[in-house]
Amino acid sequence: DVKVTQSSRYLVKRTGEKVFLECVQDMDHENMFWYRQDPGLGLRLIYFSYDVKMKEKGDIPEGYSVSREKKERFSLILESASTNQTSMYLCATTPGPKNSPLHFGNGTRLTVT
Amino acid sequence: AQTVTQSQPEMSVQEAETVTLSCTYDTSESNYYLFWYKQPPSRQMILVIRQEAYKQQNATENRFSVNFQKAAKSFSLKISDSQLGDTAMYFCASPLESGTYKYIFGTGTRLKVLA
Repeated sequence: DVKVTQSSRYLVKRTGEKVFLECVQDMDHENMFWYRQDPGLGLRLIYFSYDVKMKEKGDIPEGYSVSREKKERFSLILESASTNQTSMYLCATTPGPKNSPLHFGNGTRLTVT
Repeated sequence: AQTVTQSQPEMSVQEAETVTLSCTYDTSESNYYLFWYKQPPSRQMILVIRQEAYKQQNATENRFSVNFQKAAKSFSLKISDSQLGDTAMYFCASPLESGTYKYIFGTGTRLKVLA
């Protein structure tokens, strides 16, 4: 079974702090994703990566950056956290091709005060 | 633009009854895959069922089945013999854009199964 591990389940940070959300997968999958989940808005794609050091912006990349130095690890970075980034963050992975489902981590509930 | 729409924010169903969750989408692609995901209160998002657009036969997984109508761009999920453990958020999703794995999700339907 694919395991996707997000380093923190709950996180509380102050406005202006730099925040790192870590995601690690154990299945050598090429594709990794960061979504944020907000009530009534579903899941919105922030960034995705299809290979080491390769990344593409999703639908809402503003205020975020990512890092993928190793295949198994995909990090989401909030350069200067703001209160409107309070949300649930979900990491996901898939090997491709397109009939492959996404495998999700447990999520990180981030609160920015 | 590729979109996925779930028009039912909340639904409830009595235990052992059947419920149908709706999903519509918009794409110019000819071949694509559609997925239903379940997110229980524990938060782990898991795959419920998938459908390939080229296949006319509706997918079935135990008590879960889909009603896929390609011309209408509709992909509804039917849950038969509902159980308390089916209480969850349900999301319809698809990598609708050609050449990418950019999965697009609907806004979700919160399903509550009543004892």
